[in-house]
Amino acid sequence: GAVVSQHPSWVICKSGTSVKIECRSLDFQATTMFWYRQFPKQSLMLMATSNEGSKATYEQGVEKDKFLINHASLTLSTLTVTSAHPEDSSFYICSARDGREQYFGPGTRLTVT
Amino acid sequence: DQQVKQNSPSLSVQEGRISILNCDYTNSMFDYFLWYKKYPAEGPTFLISISSIKDKNEDGRFTVFLNKSAKHLSLHIVPSQPGDSAVYFCAASGTGKLIFGQGTTLQVKP
Repeated sequence: GAVVSQHPSWVICKSGTSVKIECRSLDFQATTMFWYRQFPKQSLMLMATSNEGSKATYEQGVEKDKFLINHASLTLSTLTVTSAHPEDSSFYICSARDGREQYFGPGTRLTVT
Repeated sequence: DQQVKQNSPSLSVQEGRISILNCDYTNSMFDYFLWYKKYPAEGPTFLISISSIKDKNEDGRFTVFLNKSAKHLSLHIVPSQPGDSAVYFCAASGTGKLIFGQGTTLQVKP
């Protein structure tokens, strides 16, 4: 299957700082990428759809000014958590669409202290 | 409003036997369904998918069945292996976005 990478795999930051997470499709081009968040023992919650060359589409309840998404190329999307708070601590996962399938990155564990 | 439901939070089977994971959906606009396997602190791994124009898709030990009239799909794993122990998510798509079920934790006992 197609390979999607995420960087970093884990990050610890202080409240008020910003953190950037990268998502790359390694062996295919993805015009559409998705960002998810998963709380412990819960399902994946779609945060936003990232489209190359255009603005991201955010799901209801997700603050677009807090979770900045940039999809500057066909292989890279970034999620920046701005002014992070402890409640933003979570497991963030990206996916890239290839046809009808979506392939997921390994996830990024964010801890805000 | 949970559009995709996996009503069994956990399932335990003996190695070599069949594992059957179930998933129900409510939105008749869904036309593509996928199953993912997930380990803790990792991203989901794609297993198998099925289009709504089919009722069965098979790939090795994995078979997905779709019953559109009942809005139900299932994943069969046979024979089950201890390495199959993980959380399994079903997902449905109609507009490109995936809607995930809550997941079922499968434990395969040696």
